Amino acid sequence: DVKVTQSSRYLVKRTGEKVFLECVQDMDHENMFWYRQDPGLGLRLIYFSYDVKMKEKGDIPEGYSVSREKKERFSLILESASTNQTSMYLCASMRVKETQYFGPGTRLLVL
Amino acid sequence: QKEVEQNSGPLSVPEGAIASLNCTYSDRGSQSFFWYRQYSGKSPELIMSIYSNGDKEDGRFTAQLNKASQYVSLLIRDSQPSDSATYLCAVNQDSNYQLIWGAGTKLIIKP
Repeated sequence: DVKVTQSSRYLVKRTGEKVFLECVQDMDHENMFWYRQDPGLGLRLIYFSYDVKMKEKGDIPEGYSVSREKKERFSLILESASTNQTSMYLCASMRVKETQYFGPGTRLLVL
Repeated sequence: QKEVEQNSGPLSVPEGAIASLNCTYSDRGSQSFFWYRQYSGKSPELIMSIYSNGDKEDGRFTAQLNKASQYVSLLIRDSQPSDSATYLCAVNQDSNYQLIWGAGTKLIIKP
């Protein structure tokens, strides 16, 4: 079975803090994704990566950056957290042309 | 802009009845189609994939694809209260790393 893990299930941070969310997959998938999900807005793609050290902006990259130094690990960084970044963050991985598998999600609250 | 449309619901279905969920997509080049189930507070999980026109059955679930009309549907037979969730439709174009997501349909199965 594909396993995608995320570093935290719940996180509380203060405005202006730098926040790191980590995602690890164990299936040697090429592609990895970070989404945020808010009520009524569905899944919105923040960034994705199709190879080590490669990244592409998604639909809402502002305020975020990513890092992929190893194939199995994809990190999302909030450089200076703001209250409007309070959300559920979901990591996913996939093999090319196949389906995506999700991690359990991180519910982030920025105070 | 490539789009995937779903009725947001909620769709209310009596226990034991057939639940029918629909999804339309705009890009005729789409090749792969997926249905995910998402329980409240949890991450999406894949329940069905379909790649060619027609029906694909898996237990109580049947996915139906009609590429000419650009829609994909999910039927749930003998609906159970545990089927109450949001169902997300996702579409993949052959040349794209990404999935394009619908906003989801909330399904409520009434005992």
